[in-house]
Amino acid sequence: DTAVSQTPKYLVTQMGNDKSIKCEQNLGHDTMYWYKQDSKKFLKIMFSYNNKELIINETVPNRFSPKSPDKAHLNLHINSLELGDSAVYFCASGPTGANEQFFGPGTRLTVL
Amino acid sequence: GEDVEQSLFLSVREGDSSVINCTYTDSSSTYLYWYKQEPGAGLQLLTYIFSNMDMKQDQRLTVLLNKKDKHLSLRIADTQTGDSAIYFCAERRNSGYSTLTFGKGTMLLVSP
Repeated sequence: DTAVSQTPKYLVTQMGNDKSIKCEQNLGHDTMYWYKQDSKKFLKIMFSYNNKELIINETVPNRFSPKSPDKAHLNLHINSLELGDSAVYFCASGPTGANEQFFGPGTRLTVL
Repeated sequence: GEDVEQSLFLSVREGDSSVINCTYTDSSSTYLYWYKQEPGAGLQLLTYIFSNMDMKQDQRLTVLLNKKDKHLSLRIADTQTGDSAIYFCAERRNSGYSTLTFGKGTMLLVSP
């Protein structure tokens, strides 16, 4: 009954590989987000989708491609992984224009 | 400099009050938030305050907002060891899509 879930929780991979992180929310929210938290704990918005449409893309390299097959899912695909992509990636969701965002547990990506 | 700034570390003894401070730069911010992140976990929304309010109290938590100085604080009364975590201040800048801009987080360490 987890509200916002992400898979996998941990992901270790080699440089140059392509990987995906999945996010699902069962809260009925219209808006979903991806945030990146770096090694210094700095948390920054990457993307935001509203009703399956991209509304915010914050200067993220085009190696990162979010995909929203439906309102409840927002997946993140990363091509040609680099060392600097190592971070914890958080998915979040919230009602459009509302005050709260609910965060998933995070996916710790380590690129070797 | 960062748009949302926080001191990085705070250490208190169990039973004392903790005060975590935050400054932000965007006067158009509509809502300001405090999130808690325990080790290895996702972000948990603690509380938020609308920008036309000065204070909000929720059990052991008191949020003070000085809009003139763009200063936000979180006071935790009777701090417990379970309060040890990283606390993030965040601002919401536009009313359409609730993108949050986070500070770098304040690590609160509560010692017995």
